[in-house]
Amino acid sequence: DIQLTQSPSSLSASVGDRVTITCQANQDIKKYLNWYQQKPGKAPKLLIHDASSLETGVPSRFSGSGSGTDFTFTISTLQPEDIATYHCQQFDDLPLTFGGGTKVEIK
Amino acid sequence: QVQLQESGPRLVKPSETLSLTCTVSGGSIVNHYWTWIRLPPGKRLEWIATASYTGSTNFNPSLRSRVTISVDTSQNQFSLTLTSVTAADTAVYYCARVTWEAGSNWFDPWGQGTLVTVSS
Repeated sequence: DIQLTQSPSSLSASVGDRVTITCQANQDIKKYLNWYQQKPGKAPKLLIHDASSLETGVPSRFSGSGSGTDFTFTISTLQPEDIATYHCQQFDDLPLTFGGGTKVEIK
Repeated sequence: QVQLQESGPRLVKPSETLSLTCTVSGGSIVNHYWTWIRLPPGKRLEWIATASYTGSTNFNPSLRSRVTISVDTSQNQFSLTLTSVTAADTAVYYCARVTWEAGSNWFDPWGQGTLVTVSS
Protein backbone atom coordinates (compact mmCIF):
# COMPACT_ATOMS: atom_id res chain seq x y z
CA ASP A 1 0.00 0.00 0.00
CA ILE A 2 1.10 3.57 -0.63
CA GLN A 3 1.70 5.35 2.67
CA LEU A 4 1.03 9.08 2.95
CA THR A 5 2.65 11.01 5.78
CA GLN A 6 1.10 14.36 6.53
CA SER A 7 2.75 16.99 8.68
CA PRO A 8 2.17 18.61 10.97
CA SER A 9 -0.67 16.64 12.55
CA SER A 10 -2.01 19.89 13.98
CA LEU A 11 -1.17 23.57 13.89
CA SER A 12 -2.36 26.81 15.39
CA ALA A 13 -2.06 30.01 13.41
CA SER A 14 -3.43 33.54 13.44
CA VAL A 15 -5.98 34.95 11.03
CA GLY A 16 -4.08 36.27 8.03
CA ASP A 17 -1.16 33.86 8.43
CA ARG A 18 0.19 31.68 5.66
CA VAL A 19 -0.34 28.00 6.47
CA THR A 20 1.56 25.15 4.83
CA ILE A 21 0.88 21.42 5.13
CA THR A 22 3.00 18.72 3.59
CA CYS A 23 2.10 15.25 2.38
CA GLN A 24 4.85 12.77 1.59
CA ALA A 25 4.30 9.51 -0.26
CA ASN A 26 6.54 6.48 0.21
CA GLN A 27 6.73 5.99 -3.55
CA ASP A 28 6.30 8.05 -6.71
CA ILE A 29 2.62 8.91 -7.24
CA LYS A 30 3.20 11.39 -10.08
CA LYS A 31 0.56 14.12 -9.55
CA TYR A 32 -2.15 11.74 -8.41
CA LEU A 33 -2.98 13.48 -5.15
CA ASN A 34 -6.11 15.20 -3.87
CA TRP A 35 -6.73 17.47 -0.88
CA TYR A 36 -9.93 17.58 1.17
CA GLN A 37 -11.19 19.92 3.88
CA GLN A 38 -13.28 18.48 6.69
CA LYS A 39 -14.96 20.93 9.02
CA PRO A 40 -16.05 19.68 12.46
CA GLY A 41 -19.04 17.37 12.21
CA LYS A 42 -19.15 17.65 8.42
CA ALA A 43 -18.19 15.47 5.49
CA PRO A 44 -14.91 16.05 3.69
CA LYS A 45 -15.04 18.45 0.78
CA LEU A 46 -12.75 18.32 -2.25
CA LEU A 47 -10.52 21.39 -2.52
CA ILE A 48 -7.73 20.37 -4.90
CA HIS A 49 -7.33 17.49 -7.33
CA ASP A 50 -4.30 16.33 -9.28
CA ALA A 51 -1.98 17.99 -6.77
CA SER A 52 -2.59 21.56 -7.93
CA SER A 53 -5.96 21.93 -9.67
CA LEU A 54 -8.35 24.04 -7.64
CA GLU A 55 -11.88 22.69 -7.58
CA THR A 56 -14.50 25.05 -9.00
CA GLY A 57 -15.83 27.46 -6.40
CA VAL A 58 -12.96 26.97 -3.95
CA PRO A 59 -11.37 30.26 -2.82
CA SER A 60 -8.08 31.12 -4.46
CA ARG A 61 -6.29 31.38 -1.10
CA PHE A 62 -6.08 27.59 -1.23
CA SER A 63 -3.38 26.06 -3.43
CA GLY A 64 -1.46 22.85 -3.91
CA SER A 65 1.83 21.91 -5.47
CA GLY A 66 4.23 19.03 -5.86
CA SER A 67 4.72 15.80 -7.74
CA GLY A 68 6.42 12.49 -7.23
CA THR A 69 6.67 11.95 -3.48
CA ASP A 70 6.46 15.46 -2.00
CA PHE A 71 3.37 17.64 -1.98
CA THR A 72 2.39 20.91 -0.34
CA PHE A 73 -0.98 22.43 0.50
CA THR A 74 -1.09 26.14 1.29
CA ILE A 75 -3.62 28.57 2.68
CA SER A 76 -2.19 31.95 1.71
CA THR A 77 -4.20 34.01 4.20
CA LEU A 78 -5.87 32.00 6.95
CA GLN A 79 -9.53 32.86 7.57
CA PRO A 80 -11.67 31.92 10.59
CA GLU A 81 -13.82 29.68 8.39
CA ASP A 82 -10.76 27.61 7.46
CA ILE A 83 -10.81 25.85 10.83
CA ALA A 84 -10.89 22.22 9.74
CA THR A 85 -8.92 19.04 9.29
CA TYR A 86 -7.20 18.71 5.93
CA HIS A 87 -6.59 15.31 4.33
CA CYS A 88 -4.44 14.30 1.39
CA GLN A 89 -5.40 11.23 -0.67
CA GLN A 90 -3.57 9.36 -3.43
CA PHE A 91 -5.13 7.68 -6.43
CA ASP A 92 -2.02 6.37 -8.12
CA ASP A 93 -2.68 2.81 -7.02
CA LEU A 94 -5.14 0.64 -5.16
CA PRO A 95 -5.90 0.59 -2.35
CA LEU A 96 -6.66 4.29 -2.35
CA THR A 97 -5.13 5.78 0.79
CA PHE A 98 -5.28 8.94 2.84
CA GLY A 99 -2.84 10.90 4.94
CA GLY A 100 -3.31 11.13 8.67
CA GLY A 101 -4.89 14.57 8.53
CA THR A 102 -3.82 18.01 9.73
CA LYS A 103 -6.03 19.86 12.17
CA VAL A 104 -5.86 23.62 11.68
CA GLU A 105 -6.88 25.88 14.55
CA ILE A 106 -6.95 29.63 15.05
CA LYS A 107 -4.49 31.02 17.58
CA GLN B 1 -26.89 19.28 -7.34
CA VAL B 2 -26.21 15.71 -6.38
CA GLN B 3 -26.68 14.86 -2.71
CA LEU B 4 -25.95 11.62 -0.87
CA GLN B 5 -27.49 10.35 2.35
CA GLU B 6 -26.40 7.32 4.35
CA SER B 7 -28.91 5.23 6.26
CA GLY B 8 -28.81 2.11 8.37
CA PRO B 9 -28.45 0.86 11.94
CA ARG B 10 -26.22 2.94 14.19
CA LEU B 11 -25.48 0.08 16.58
CA VAL B 12 -24.31 -3.37 15.53
CA LYS B 13 -23.36 -6.26 17.78
CA PRO B 14 -19.95 -7.92 17.50
CA SER B 15 -19.82 -10.77 14.97
CA GLU B 16 -22.95 -9.49 13.21
CA THR B 17 -23.30 -7.76 9.84
CA LEU B 18 -23.20 -4.01 9.24
CA SER B 19 -25.50 -2.86 6.44
CA LEU B 20 -25.68 0.67 5.08
CA THR B 21 -27.49 2.25 2.15
CA CYS B 22 -26.63 5.46 0.36
CA THR B 23 -29.47 7.24 -1.41
CA VAL B 24 -28.48 9.50 -4.30
CA SER B 25 -30.71 12.47 -5.07
CA GLY B 26 -30.47 15.28 -7.59
CA GLY B 27 -28.83 13.08 -10.20
CA SER B 28 -28.68 9.59 -11.63
CA ILE B 29 -26.60 6.80 -10.22
CA VAL B 30 -25.99 5.64 -13.79
CA ASN B 31 -22.70 6.54 -15.52
CA HIS B 32 -20.84 7.02 -12.26
CA TYR B 33 -18.75 5.13 -9.74
CA TRP B 34 -19.73 5.08 -6.08
CA THR B 35 -17.68 4.44 -2.98
CA TRP B 36 -17.67 3.84 0.76
CA ILE B 37 -15.07 5.38 3.06
CA ARG B 38 -14.85 5.29 6.85
CA LEU B 39 -13.19 7.30 9.61
CA PRO B 40 -12.49 5.28 12.78
CA PRO B 41 -12.10 7.40 15.91
CA GLY B 42 -8.59 8.77 16.19
CA LYS B 43 -7.49 7.24 12.90
CA ARG B 44 -7.22 8.27 9.26
CA LEU B 45 -9.81 7.98 6.55
CA GLU B 46 -9.95 4.49 5.08
CA TRP B 47 -11.24 3.63 1.61
CA ILE B 48 -13.45 0.54 1.74
CA ALA B 49 -14.73 -0.22 -1.77
CA THR B 50 -15.95 1.27 -5.06
CA ALA B 51 -18.60 0.06 -7.48
CA SER B 52 -19.95 1.22 -10.81
CA TYR B 53 -23.53 1.08 -11.99
CA THR B 54 -22.42 -1.73 -14.33
CA GLY B 55 -21.42 -3.87 -11.37
CA SER B 56 -17.65 -3.60 -11.60
CA THR B 57 -16.03 -3.33 -8.18
CA ASN B 58 -12.77 -2.65 -6.37
CA PHE B 59 -12.02 -3.40 -2.74
CA ASN B 60 -9.49 -2.54 -0.09
CA PRO B 61 -7.64 -5.85 0.38
CA SER B 62 -7.65 -5.33 4.15
CA LEU B 63 -11.47 -5.63 4.14
CA ARG B 64 -12.13 -7.59 0.96
CA SER B 65 -13.14 -10.85 2.58
CA ARG B 66 -15.87 -9.17 4.62
CA VAL B 67 -17.24 -6.52 2.25
CA THR B 68 -19.99 -6.46 -0.35
CA ILE B 69 -20.85 -3.35 -2.34
CA SER B 70 -23.72 -3.13 -4.79
CA VAL B 71 -25.56 -0.55 -6.87
CA ASP B 72 -29.34 -0.52 -7.36
CA THR B 73 -30.11 1.64 -10.36
CA SER B 74 -33.87 1.23 -9.94
CA GLN B 75 -33.74 2.81 -6.49
CA ASN B 76 -30.84 5.20 -7.21
CA GLN B 77 -29.07 3.69 -4.22
CA PHE B 78 -25.94 1.78 -3.44
CA SER B 79 -25.16 -0.29 -0.40
CA LEU B 80 -22.42 -1.70 1.81
CA THR B 81 -22.38 -4.82 3.91
CA LEU B 82 -19.55 -5.69 6.27
CA THR B 83 -19.68 -9.06 7.96
CA SER B 84 -18.25 -10.34 11.23
CA VAL B 85 -17.81 -6.87 12.70
CA THR B 86 -15.67 -6.10 15.74
CA ALA B 87 -15.07 -2.98 17.78
CA ALA B 88 -12.39 -2.03 15.25
CA ASP B 89 -15.17 -1.45 12.71
CA THR B 90 -16.65 1.36 14.80
CA ALA B 91 -16.39 4.43 12.60
CA VAL B 92 -18.17 7.20 10.78
CA TYR B 93 -19.11 5.69 7.43
CA TYR B 94 -19.32 7.97 4.39
CA CYS B 95 -20.67 7.31 0.94
CA ALA B 96 -19.34 9.37 -1.95
CA ARG B 97 -19.36 9.65 -5.71
CA VAL B 98 -16.17 9.00 -7.60
CA THR B 99 -15.56 11.56 -10.31
CA TRP B 100 -13.35 10.45 -13.20
CA GLU B 101 -11.83 12.99 -15.57
CA ALA B 102 -9.03 12.45 -18.03
CA GLY B 103 -7.36 9.73 -15.98
CA SER B 104 -7.81 11.47 -12.67
CA ASN B 105 -10.35 10.70 -10.00
CA TRP B 106 -11.57 12.12 -6.76
CA PHE B 107 -14.38 11.80 -4.24
CA ASP B 108 -17.08 14.44 -4.61
CA PRO B 109 -19.66 14.90 -3.27
CA TRP B 110 -19.80 13.01 0.02
CA GLY B 111 -22.71 12.07 2.25
CA GLN B 112 -22.85 13.62 5.70
CA GLY B 113 -21.64 10.38 7.28
CA THR B 114 -23.18 8.06 9.81
CA LEU B 115 -21.57 6.84 13.02
CA VAL B 116 -21.81 3.09 13.39
CA THR B 117 -20.85 1.66 16.76
CA VAL B 118 -20.02 -1.99 17.25
CA SER B 119 -20.93 -3.00 20.77
CA SER B 120 -22.90 -5.61 22.62
